[in-house]
Amino acid sequence: GAVVSQHPSWVICKSGTSVKIECRSLDFQATTMFWYRQFPKQSLMLMATSNEGSKATYEQGVEKDKFLINHASLTLSTLTVTSAHPEDSSFYICSARDFRRQGPVEQYFGPGTRLTVT
Amino acid sequence: QQQVKQSPQSLIVQKGGISIINCAYENTAFDYFPWYQQFPGKGPALLIAIRPDVSEKKEGRFTISFNKSAKQFSLHIMDSQPGDSATYFCAASISGNQFYFGTGTSLTVIP
Repeated sequence: GAVVSQHPSWVICKSGTSVKIECRSLDFQATTMFWYRQFPKQSLMLMATSNEGSKATYEQGVEKDKFLINHASLTLSTLTVTSAHPEDSSFYICSARDFRRQGPVEQYFGPGTRLTVT
Repeated sequence: QQQVKQSPQSLIVQKGGISIINCAYENTAFDYFPWYQQFPGKGPALLIAIRPDVSEKKEGRFTISFNKSAKQFSLHIMDSQPGDSATYFCAASISGNQFYFGTGTSLTVIP
């Protein structure tokens, strides 16, 4: 149980274009999804928290107009990197959690999406 | 400011040995302390987690030791295997609302 998928697993796009990354909870409903960014050999940096049906909350320093997050259903959140630049190249990881559940407060991670902007 | 401090940055252990990774925190409001294992190109996977009302939790070869007064917790991997070679992250959370990650430890288990 508690499986989270991401699509695509890797993507290459040209500078100036936009790319969308999907995060799905496959066997549970995710009231909340988190988006992280990870640079090589570094820790995970939380970018934003999205709650189903409401606007995402962005961490300080993260441009909300550049990283558009939509959480339209309890099983799907999307991250759109708009007007991508080479410095946006990174490993993007989502995680999901059902805050309505009693018991463990764990979040479950997706497998990540490698974005390369040329 | 780093909410969770992790050490060492890298660790090399012989097969069969014990791997020990340490983390420290300051915020006493943290009430959940998970450890994650991450392989290259993959997302983190929950390994084991502990709450501050217990001092130790063991699952197979993996043990968390928790020292509430010192605000420290550690991961022990017994009988380390080459397949355990990965990056390990500790984290701390307040009721799962936000997770603060350590900087990671790259573990290499040599045969």
